[in-house]
Amino acid sequence: GDSVTQMEGPVTLSEEAFLTINCTYTATGYPSLFWYVQYPGEGLQLLLKATKADDKGSNKGFEATYRKETTSFHLEKGSVQVSDSAVYFCALAPYGNNRLAFGKGNQVVVIP
Amino acid sequence: NAGVTQTPKFQVLKTGQSMTLQCAQDMNHEYMSWYRQDPGMGLRLIHYSVGAGITDQGEVPNGYNVSRSTTEDFPLRLLSAAPSQTSVYFCASSYVGGSIDGYTFGSGTRLTVV
Repeated sequence: GDSVTQMEGPVTLSEEAFLTINCTYTATGYPSLFWYVQYPGEGLQLLLKATKADDKGSNKGFEATYRKETTSFHLEKGSVQVSDSAVYFCALAPYGNNRLAFGKGNQVVVIP
Repeated sequence: NAGVTQTPKFQVLKTGQSMTLQCAQDMNHEYMSWYRQDPGMGLRLIHYSVGAGITDQGEVPNGYNVSRSTTEDFPLRLLSAAPSQTSVYFCASSYVGGSIDGYTFGSGTRLTVV
């Protein structure tokens, strides 16, 4: 079935460092892809999205490019801040399907 | 403010008790869903609804019931709480399922079953 795989383990990095979180997916057809962010004690918020191959989603300095050839949607940010500390989820919406499938999430901790 | 409202925010239950988690949205979204979030497991879909009067099961429906009598409300019922149902529960809605606009999430209900 349709699924999303995120890299294992938390990510700890220093302020102003480069962040990459890997996300790969398995799906039939042409899904839409998303990154959600969850700040401590809160629900998930949509961070960015891409709906077709080669689309680049961007928001708040974060970017991710829909790569159909590698079935990937990696999240990147060039210079992280302490306020970016959160859990990040990659998600997939299969075309014509009612269900949004989530990866397991990655805890990101940014140290001053 | 428009959005998804979940109540209560925190709840402690004894094994065997029943309760209802409330979810309401004021965005006229047709699609509503319930997820549970557990450490290392991400979010797993419990039940979802594509409109009033229509519900269906997700990945982990056992032990939970839902109904959708109005567009706005989508309560989740725990019939007989078990420690395995200790989790954080999120309600989410969108105009349609799999919407390219993404889902709007509530702030969650943290449930502990002792």
